[in-house]
Amino acid sequence: KQEVTQIPAALSVPEGENLVLNCSFTDSAIYNLQWFRQDPGKGLTSLLLIQSSQREQTSGRLNASLDKSSGRSTLYIAASQPGDSATYLCAAFSNDYKLSFGAGTTVTVRA
Amino acid sequence: DAGVIQSPRHEVTEMGQEVTLRCKPISGHNSLFWYRQTMMRGLELLIYFNNNVPIDDSGMPEDRFSAKMPNASFSTLKIQPSEPRDSAVYFCASTLGRGAFFGQGTRLTVV
Repeated sequence: KQEVTQIPAALSVPEGENLVLNCSFTDSAIYNLQWFRQDPGKGLTSLLLIQSSQREQTSGRLNASLDKSSGRSTLYIAASQPGDSATYLCAAFSNDYKLSFGAGTTVTVRA
Repeated sequence: DAGVIQSPRHEVTEMGQEVTLRCKPISGHNSLFWYRQTMMRGLELLIYFNNNVPIDDSGMPEDRFSAKMPNASFSTLKIQPSEPRDSAVYFCASTLGRGAFFGQGTRLTVV
């Protein structure tokens, strides 16, 4: 059974600081690992998708890495802004077609 | 493609009534997921389908909940009878293994 864990549960940083969000999963038999953002009262927006054969993906200030062998993924957000305040969730899509989510990291960027 | 389409967006019903939530996945996607999200329990996977076949419904909380996928372009989640503790946002998502996409969700309130 796939278990996805995100640490820390919450994070508060001053504007301009780099953010590091961690995601770990127990079963390395995954097709891909996906990072989402969710604003309060809203739906889930996909940020980055890393296929199992890839090591990282980048989009603007966002960079996500994947280490399947150790069951870890990290999302880096450079030069954080107040608009980055949100909950960030990672999800592992396993070989049994299951999409398993972590509980999320709630980020607050202070102006 | 219009993305994953859920209806209705909001539903308010009285305790004991039957509620049916609908989802149209992205055309060509072969996996579909139903999630429930509350402040207390976060995002919970209720059931998922692959090629219209239910793969795992262990997340369905009670026999009052049922889900169907009669064809590749439509799925329903039914609650009968509904109870106040079923109040939550229900999300549908679909994928072809290259990233999952979520609908806007249905906000269900049972009074």
